[in-house]
Amino acid sequence: QSALTQPRSVSGSPGQSVTISCTGTRSDVGGYNFVSWYQQHPGKAPKLMIYDVSKRPSGVPDRFSGSKSGNTASLTISGLQAEDEADYYCCSYAGSYTLVFGGGTKVTVL
Amino acid sequence: QVQLVESGGGVVQPGRSLRLSCAASGFTFSSYGIHWVRQAPGKGLEWVAVISYDGNDKNYADSVKGRFTISRDNSKNTLYLQMNSLRAEDTAVYYCAKDQSEMATIYPAYWGQGSLVTVSS
Repeated sequence: QSALTQPRSVSGSPGQSVTISCTGTRSDVGGYNFVSWYQQHPGKAPKLMIYDVSKRPSGVPDRFSGSKSGNTASLTISGLQAEDEADYYCCSYAGSYTLVFGGGTKVTVL
Repeated sequence: QVQLVESGGGVVQPGRSLRLSCAASGFTFSSYGIHWVRQAPGKGLEWVAVISYDGNDKNYADSVKGRFTISRDNSKNTLYLQMNSLRAEDTAVYYCAKDQSEMATIYPAYWGQGSLVTVSS
C-alpha cells in the first residue's frame, strides 16, 4: 500500500491549463479503471471531482477532466480560475476493498 | 441532504484506546459502503478503512490493521472506528465518507467535517 506519486506543486495563470500526474503500479492505477480525484481547500473536507478515471459528478465544471495511460492517471484543469487554487489528491482502488491516495499536489493560480 | 457528523475525537495517551462515531442522515444509510480517511496535520490524505453496506466486508490500511476495527449499526445510522494501541503517528483529523453508489466501496464521495485525534503523553 504505497502512496501514489504526484508532483508537490503545479502553477498556472488564469485561463491557462495545468495537468497533474498520478503514478502508481499495476496493482492499483494500472490494474483498475477506478481512479478518482479530490479537491481540498484549506480547512475544508475533500470534494470528489473525478471518478471512473474521467467522469464528473453532477455540479463539477467541465474544465476538470481526467485520463489514464498505463500506470499513470492525469487530471487537467482547463481555463484555470482563482477558485481552483487548492490541494488535489488522486486515489485508486487497489484490490480487496482497499484504496490508496496520492501524496497531493498544490495548485497555485498565479 | 447528506450529512455525516464525526464525534469522539480528543487527546489520548500513546497505547490507549478511543472510539470514533459517525452519525449519518439524509440518505439510506444501510445501502452504502462507508470509509474512514485520515489526514495528519499539514499532510495528505490516507485511506484507513472501509465497511460494506451490510457490514459483511471490511478492510484496513496496513498501518492500522490489527489495531483499528470498523463497524456499523444500521439501526442507528451510525458508523464506528475503534482505535486501540494508539501511536503518535495516528494523530490526524479522521473523516468518515459515504461511497458514491449504493452497495459500492470504491469512491468516498460525501465527507463529514472530521474529528481530530491527538495522541500525546
